[in-house]
Amino acid sequence: SQTIHQWPATLVQPVGSPLSLECTVEGTSNPNLYWYRQAAGRGLQLLFYSVGIGQISSEVPQNLSASRPQDRQFILSSKKLLLSDSGFYLCAWSAPHHQPQHFGDGTRLSIL
Amino acid sequence: QKEVEQNSGPLSVPEGAIASLNCTYSDRGSQSFFWYRQYSGKSPELIMFIYSNGDKEDGRFTAQLNKASQYVSLLIRDSQPSDSATYLCAVNNKDSSYKLIFGSGTRLLVRP
Repeated sequence: SQTIHQWPATLVQPVGSPLSLECTVEGTSNPNLYWYRQAAGRGLQLLFYSVGIGQISSEVPQNLSASRPQDRQFILSSKKLLLSDSGFYLCAWSAPHHQPQHFGDGTRLSIL
Repeated sequence: QKEVEQNSGPLSVPEGAIASLNCTYSDRGSQSFFWYRQYSGKSPELIMFIYSNGDKEDGRFTAQLNKASQYVSLLIRDSQPSDSATYLCAVNNKDSSYKLIFGSGTRLLVRP
């Protein structure tokens, strides 16, 4: 069966520091991968998605970036975090050509 | 106009009752519809998906889709306190079948 791993579960970072969140999927090949952010009490905002290695689509202009160095690995990065980057970051995957998305446990990011 | 709209709630029902959650969407070209459950502090969990007009039943859950009226609903029969959560409606995006547009969710409270 397929599983998705996301870490760390919580993270506290100072303003201006860099960020790297990692997500890996097991048990499937060539998944579609997604990064979402959820602000407190709000809906899900799609940040990036990828349909293959090195293929990244950005949904919202911001100081975040994403990379997909391997088929089942998706990384969210920032060079300098802003206070507004606080939130619950969720990685998700779906099978190619099949739409249900399945989420990892998420990373709760607090910026001080 | 929001692309996917849900009443934020809370919707409060007594234990054993039927909970009815509704969602409307703006894109007539949408073809796939999903319901996710999100417990407080946790990531969303897929509970139902529906592609065709009509009803789809899975245990205590029934998803209903009416494309002509552009709404999708989720019925939860014999509601339990453990069903208390936020329910997110998601619809595929007309520009890319890989992407989902999420509503902001309806909070459901099941009173013992």
